[in-house]
Amino acid sequence: QSVLTQPPSASGTPGQRVTISCSGSSSNIGSNGVIWYQQLPGTAPKLLIYTNNQRPSGVPDRFSGSKSGTSASLAISGLQSEDEADYYCATWDDSLIGYVFGSGTKVTVL
Amino acid sequence: EVQLVESGGGLVQPGGSLRLSCAASGFTFNKYNMNWARQAPGKGLEWVSKISSTTRTSFYAESVKGRFTISRDNAKNSLYLQMTGLRVDDTAVYYCARETWTGSPTIDHWGQGTLVTVSP
Repeated sequence: QSVLTQPPSASGTPGQRVTISCSGSSSNIGSNGVIWYQQLPGTAPKLLIYTNNQRPSGVPDRFSGSKSGTSASLAISGLQSEDEADYYCATWDDSLIGYVFGSGTKVTVL
Repeated sequence: EVQLVESGGGLVQPGGSLRLSCAASGFTFNKYNMNWARQAPGKGLEWVSKISSTTRTSFYAESVKGRFTISRDNAKNSLYLQMTGLRVDDTAVYYCARETWTGSPTIDHWGQGTLVTVSP
């Protein structure tokens, strides 16, 4: 059972907007920045969003993040076929003294 | 370019031991905290352990505490994970990961992973 809660799946047609939620608690999301990773099939995770809503260089601005209290969300606008992947939220947990991850959301482009 | 290359994975029997290594390049290794994370087949990501840049502090997930030991050699730009008392549920791809500070700890780079299979 993951500490952070994500929906197992999400889908949309090309060009649509898809949103993924991530719910935690005061010791993790409530206290630290939220991170989002994209994992394409058979590859290592890649940093997509950090500190709730910051994009590393090279990440398209179609990806955006937000946080409110102990919940966060990732939005993908203008969905493209190459966005088919697993998406994980993560953050540091001050009580567990370690990183915690969501269970992952599989995004399918219909 | 940041590169993290893991090695040392393989097949081991339950109760056995294995030592994973991670060779880092493309950044000043001794200035960064480092982590190990893992992903069981078809499952999600799980953090395993973290070591500070100076090696003075380390942290472990409850699932591996007392069985795994993280270490590093800053002179060799290398990170290690000594795994003992391996169990079937330790079977996973193990990732070496760099941590940076963005106001809170953030894993920003991952290696490609090395597969550890624990099976009779």
